[in-house]
Amino acid sequence: GQNIDQPTEMTATEGAIVQINCTYQTSGFNGLFWYQQHAGEAPTFLSYNVLDGLEEKGRFSSFLSRSKGYSYLLLKELQMKDSASYLCAAYYGGATNKLIFGTGTLLAVQP
Amino acid sequence: DGGITQSPKYLFRKEGQNVTLSCEQNLNHDAMYWYRQDPGQGLRLIYYSQIVNDFQKGDIAEGYSVSREKKESFPLTVTSAQKNPTAFYLCASRDRAWGYEQYFGPGTRLTVT
Repeated sequence: GQNIDQPTEMTATEGAIVQINCTYQTSGFNGLFWYQQHAGEAPTFLSYNVLDGLEEKGRFSSFLSRSKGYSYLLLKELQMKDSASYLCAAYYGGATNKLIFGTGTLLAVQP
Repeated sequence: DGGITQSPKYLFRKEGQNVTLSCEQNLNHDAMYWYRQDPGQGLRLIYYSQIVNDFQKGDIAEGYSVSREKKESFPLTVTSAQKNPTAFYLCASRDRAWGYEQYFGPGTRLTVT
């Protein structure tokens, strides 16, 4: 199977930086998504990484290492509204052709 | 505005009843998906459809059924055979020609008692 692993919960302070890690199985892997989901709402797209390296988008950045099966989401200048669940999802193409989601990391931003 | 709609937001049913959750999109996307989300678990794929009049089972299709008679619509029926139907159900769609990002609807929280 294609297991996606990410921490269950994290806590950080307003204004700080937090890194949320995600590991996945590399066989058949095409790309890695990060979604943000507030409680009771739909996931919203944050980033999609296909190539190795860091992609920056405002306060949020996402990193991918294809050879290591590893990604992280970096959130800078944390705000209270960043308190949410962050879902890592790996896309597997070919015969699989599926998006496999991790369980999500619940981030609590404290004042 | 283009988007995905799911209705209702909250749905209550008695055990033993079938219930149909609606999903409509006006994004002109070919592919549509149904996921189930339970506390502490990731999104799990129930069914998906790549084109009209075609659909495939996902990882947890037992107790569910779908239809795809129109491009815009992909309703999900939760049957009485589904042993643990209480969950948050999310519908998503994707433009197969433009990449892999899935756009999600607002979700329906189904409670069966």
